[in-house]
Amino acid sequence: DTGVSQNPRHKITKRGQNVTFRCDPISEHNRLYWYRQTLGQGPEFLTYFQNEAQLEKSRLLSDRFSAERPKGSFSTLEIQRTEQGDSAMYLCASSLGTTGGYGYTFGSGTRLTVV
Amino acid sequence: AQSVTQPDIHITVSEGASLELRCNYSYGATPYLFWYVQSPGQGLQLLLKYFSGDTLVQGIKGFEAEFKRSQSSFNLRKPSVHWSDAAEYFCAVGARFNTDKLIFGTGTRLQVFP
Repeated sequence: DTGVSQNPRHKITKRGQNVTFRCDPISEHNRLYWYRQTLGQGPEFLTYFQNEAQLEKSRLLSDRFSAERPKGSFSTLEIQRTEQGDSAMYLCASSLGTTGGYGYTFGSGTRLTVV
Repeated sequence: AQSVTQPDIHITVSEGASLELRCNYSYGATPYLFWYVQSPGQGLQLLLKYFSGDTLVQGIKGFEAEFKRSQSSFNLRKPSVHWSDAAEYFCAVGARFNTDKLIFGTGTRLQVFP
């Protein structure tokens, strides 16, 4: 069990560019979550998957954001036409069943800086 | 709507001193409650969680938290702080019947002096 892995750890991009982040959850975990954390704030829910199905999306997830989990294993989060307001830490977490049973296991995050 | 308030943005304690971090929640029923810790540049690690039963829960690293329904609080405590406890601490709440989405507080940064 290597934990939740996120790549890249850091990403600097110019405004208007597209970026994609990857998350590899703990292998037996069927649920995968994306959160965004801005400076001085707690994580905010973006979306989650059960296996390959995306079950809920936050209003924070504008149409420039898309997340996939094609085979129920790893997930990608893409941001199109990045804006400076997208600068944040993007956290991935996974769980076995609902968080009520086990809580999340978080990855170390991808820090995005839009210049 | 659910919400979490962590009134203390920054707390400084001396090593060996006791610690209490405050957390107040707003929710119509008894929620699921969590405390997470985040070291600089790292993800969040679960310290402890409360679902039901005994209102005093024990967690990792010597931490404990007490659920007080009458005060809508879930404060985190440690009797003797170590320098390695310096980090950011987040309280989170999950709806009892929909815990797939957690609401986090804004965090409390703990600084420990030798």
